[in-house]
Amino acid sequence: SQQGEEDPQALSIQEGENATMNCSYKTSINNLQWYRQNSGRGLVHLILIRSNEREKHSGRLRVTLDTSKKSSSLLITASRAADTASYFCATVGAQKLVFGQGTRLTINP
Amino acid sequence: DGGITQSPKYLFRKEGQNVTLSCEQNLNHDAMYWYRQDPGQGLRLIYYSQIVNDFQKGDIAEGYSVSREKKESFPLTVTSAQKNPTAFYLCASSIGVSTEAFFGQGTRLTVV
Repeated sequence: SQQGEEDPQALSIQEGENATMNCSYKTSINNLQWYRQNSGRGLVHLILIRSNEREKHSGRLRVTLDTSKKSSSLLITASRAADTASYFCATVGAQKLVFGQGTRLTINP
Repeated sequence: DGGITQSPKYLFRKEGQNVTLSCEQNLNHDAMYWYRQDPGQGLRLIYYSQIVNDFQKGDIAEGYSVSREKKESFPLTVTSAQKNPTAFYLCASSIGVSTEAFFGQGTRLTVV
């Protein structure tokens, strides 16, 4: 399976702190994507990083990709209570989009 | 407005019944997906379709069936053969398999 594995499974931090989530995967990829899910809702795409990119920024989000280690990280800076959600990485393999187990992020006010 | 719509939001099924979950998109996307999510868990792929009139099994296809007769529609039928169907079902679509996926708001299915 090409499923990504996120680490940690759960993360709780204070508002204003930075949050870092990691994702590992098993096989070669074209790109890696990060999604966010608020409780009981659908997923929302956050950012896509291609296999030939090492780092990408979008607002308070920073994503890194290390293809030699088959891993990626998502950094959320200056966290806000509204960032409380589950975050998933997703990879494409065998023409299908496969998700990891997710990291549940809680931002405490 | 362009988007992807799942219906119903909540669905109750009796033991032994088949039920069909609707997924419609007006984004002109070729690829569509069905995922199952259990409480506190990630998404598991049930079926996916890259083009109309073609679909493939995902990791947990047993007890489910789909059709892709129209580009806009990808309904999922949960059959009586699915022994533990209670879950949150998510439909998604994308232009192509390697591009950003757009998700519906999900259908929560409960067996009563």
